[in-house]
Amino acid sequence: GAVVSQHPSWVICKSGTSVKIECRSLDFQATTMFWYRQFPKQSLMLMATSNEGSKATYEQGVEKDKFLINHASLTLSTLTVTSAHPEDSSFYICSARDWTVSYEQYFGPGTRLTVT
Amino acid sequence: QKEVEQDPGPLSVPEGAIVSLNCTYSNSAFQYFMWYRQYSRKGPELLMYTYSSGNKEDGRFTAQVDKSSKYISLFIRDSQPSDSATYLCAMRRISSGSARQLTFGSGTQLTVLP
Repeated sequence: GAVVSQHPSWVICKSGTSVKIECRSLDFQATTMFWYRQFPKQSLMLMATSNEGSKATYEQGVEKDKFLINHASLTLSTLTVTSAHPEDSSFYICSARDWTVSYEQYFGPGTRLTVT
Repeated sequence: QKEVEQDPGPLSVPEGAIVSLNCTYSNSAFQYFMWYRQYSRKGPELLMYTYSSGNKEDGRFTAQVDKSSKYISLFIRDSQPSDSATYLCAMRRISSGSARQLTFGSGTQLTVLP
């Protein structure tokens, strides 16, 4: 099956710094990638959708200047949390889909961000 | 009202029991229905995928969709401790663009006791 990886799996950073999270589709071309945020014991909340080569579409309430998303290639998308604050601490999960092939959406293993 | 409602549990059952997980939804435009399993601190893993009403079986797992009642279920037979995880239902519409995005339930935390 299709594999999506994320790096790093866990990161701790100081308040005010920026953190970049990578999402890669390892064995397929991801025409669309999604970024989700998940708080403990809660469901996934979609933050943004990005199509390769286009600007990301952000969900209502998500600050696009704070959560920078780049989908520059068909196998890589990055989420940069700028000027991180403790309230940004969460589990960030990406997913990817090749809509030309399948409706299925494959999820990465997630990145746990802790801002101190 | 949320578009997708799911009992958060937690649900605890003995090994070998039949588990029933359910979601209800309000948007009649949903056509694709999925169940994901998520282990602690891991990303969701697709378990079952169904289109419109009906049943689908895969090993110990059976997914049911009743569009008339806007109700979907996942049954796990002969449950095992390794089935202990959070189960998320998800669904989406058939049309293009943003409608391809998934709408998730809140997840049900399941523990299967040995």
